[in-house]
Amino acid sequence: AQTVTQSQPEMSVQEAETVTLSCTYDTSESDYYLFWYKQPPSRQMILVIRQEAYKQQNATENRFSVNFQKAAKSFSLKISDSQLGDAAMYFCAYGSSNTGKLIFGQGTTLQVKP
Amino acid sequence: KAGVTQTPRYLIKTRGQQVTLSCSPISGHRSVSWYQQTPGQGLQFLFEYFSETQRNKGNFPGRFSGRQFSNSRSEMNVSTLELGDSALYLCASSLVPLSSGNTIYFGEGSWLTVV
Repeated sequence: AQTVTQSQPEMSVQEAETVTLSCTYDTSESDYYLFWYKQPPSRQMILVIRQEAYKQQNATENRFSVNFQKAAKSFSLKISDSQLGDAAMYFCAYGSSNTGKLIFGQGTTLQVKP
Repeated sequence: KAGVTQTPRYLIKTRGQQVTLSCSPISGHRSVSWYQQTPGQGLQFLFEYFSETQRNKGNFPGRFSGRQFSNSRSEMNVSTLELGDSALYLCASSLVPLSSGNTIYFGEGSWLTVV
């Protein structure tokens, strides 16, 4: 069975600085997708970034980028130039191409200090 | 374009009762998936429906069931409610099945409290 682990329950960053959130996963599948979702206090989940496992190039979306290490089964999220609006809980998720199931990590609460 | 709509937003039920939650996907989306979020267990996948067929299911007891209608709207039912069923239930929709890895869009959730 696939598992997703986020080892940092809470993180803190100063506004305008850079922070990296960690995520590791375990799977025996070769074809899958990885996601980072943001959940603000409103609780509505918002997709931050996605990565297809077969692509070696790391995904980037504006200030958000990932470091995808397939062999190490690691998928970290880097947030550059942090803004107050980035404060939220962030979930790493694994999507199986075989079963379609989405498996989430336990989440990391990010605090952004002004 | 309207987003994913979940109703009701908040509800309180008594142990042993049953509850039905509704999810209206974004227009044109045919995949609807459901998730349970609790402080203890985190965010867990319940099931996915695509074109009125259940495609996959998470590790939940048979008390949790769902269905999808021809207009892609979906309902989730929990029978014989237990205190541990208190949670935020999230619904998400997508144009294509989850297995394609496409972006899914979440609703604001339904808060269920079982007393």
